[in-house]
Parts: sequence; C-alpha cells; structure tokens
Amino acid sequence: KQEVTQIPAALSVPEGENLVLNCSFTDSAIYNLQWFRQDPGKGLTSLLLIQSSQREQTSGRLNASLDKSSGRSTLYIAASQPGDSATYLCAVGSNAGNNRKLIWGLGTSLAVNP
Amino acid sequence: ETGVTQTPRHLVMGMTNKKSLKCEQHLGHNAMYWYKQSAKKPLELMFVYNFKEQTENNSVPSRFSPECPNSSHLFLHLHTLQPEDSALYLCASSQEMASGADQETQYFGPGTRLLVL
Repeated sequence: KQEVTQIPAALSVPEGENLVLNCSFTDSAIYNLQWFRQDPGKGLTSLLLIQSSQREQTSGRLNASLDKSSGRSTLYIAASQPGDSATYLCAVGSNAGNNRKLIWGLGTSLAVNP
Repeated sequence: ETGVTQTPRHLVMGMTNKKSLKCEQHLGHNAMYWYKQSAKKPLELMFVYNFKEQTENNSVPSRFSPECPNSSHLFLHLHTLQPEDSALYLCASSQEMASGADQETQYFGPGTRLLVL
C-alpha cells in the first residue's frame, strides 16, 4: 500500500531564504508525482508535475526533483517571499489495481516572515 | 481562478437535512473527482467520474450520493450526515489520457466548507 510522508510538517523562515521541502513514498511504482499549493480556506493549485520518466521540473523559483529508486522528491524554493506562505502538498500517482489514483501527503505548512 | 467552481462555499446543516454540493468545470475535461479534506488527514478520494461514468467509489457511506449529468457538472447529494462528515469537500477535474500515456494534473475548485451539527 502506497504511503506518502512529508517532512517537515511545519516550517517558518525569514524572507529571502532558500528552502527545501521533502516528500517520501513507499512504493516506487508510480506514474507521476505532483506538488500542489493550498492557501488557507481555498482549493489546491498545481505547482509542478513530474512524470515517472523525468528527474526534475522547474517553474520560476520552484524546482522539484524525483528519485523513484529511493522513493523521494524535494521541492526547492529559491529566495522565499511572504507570498509563498501556504501549505504545500505532495501527491504520488499510483496504480491501484486497474485504476490510477493520487495518494496524498499531509503537507508542509510554510510561513515566510517579512 | 482554476476554471473549476463550487457552490456553496460554506454550508451548515443538521443531521436530518438533505443538501447538495455543486461543481462545474469550464476546462473541457473528461474526468471529475470529489475529495474530502479533514484536519490532520490526507486528502481522501471519494468518487471519480470518467466520461460521466463512475469509475471509483472508495467505500464511501451511502449518505453521500454523487451525480454526474454531463462532463461539465458534478453533484454530491448529502442526507442524514454525521458530525464527523464535517470537512472541506473539494472537486477537481482533469483530462484523462489513454492508459500508459503521460497523465495530466488535476485542477481543483475552492471547496465547500461543510459543518454538520
């Protein structure tokens, strides 16, 4: 059974710092991995999607890596800003029988202080 | 805006009430999803519809009843709920590819915050 763990659960940093959020999964047979952002009381916004054949994806100040063999992904945020404050969720695309589904972590709550 | 809208945004209901949540996507996608998000728990997938056909029901209690009249609209009908059903209910949509092809991301609505008294 696929399980997704995100560390740390919460993180508070001063503005301008570079930071890394971690996601680990127990079954390496995945078809993709995604990072989402959730602002308080709102839905989720997709940040980056890494297909199983890829090693990383970049968008602006965000870079996500994927190492299937070790069951790990990292989300790197460069030069953090107060607007980056949100909960970041990792979701792993897993094959469950004949169906494909996303298995979610609990998220990392990030606070970037001015 | 993600192109997925949900109404109402907030709902308070008693355990004997009947209510419905509505989701609409304007992205031309062929798959829609209902998720439940509770505090301290990962997102729980409740129902999946591909091409209006329900393809997944993750052991959801019968007091939750989904309906997908067309590929743009998805409803979640609620009746005789319990206080533990209080949560944020999220709708999402995606464009599903043929098996084995790269998968697209899911686009989420803002959610309905449900409180059952």
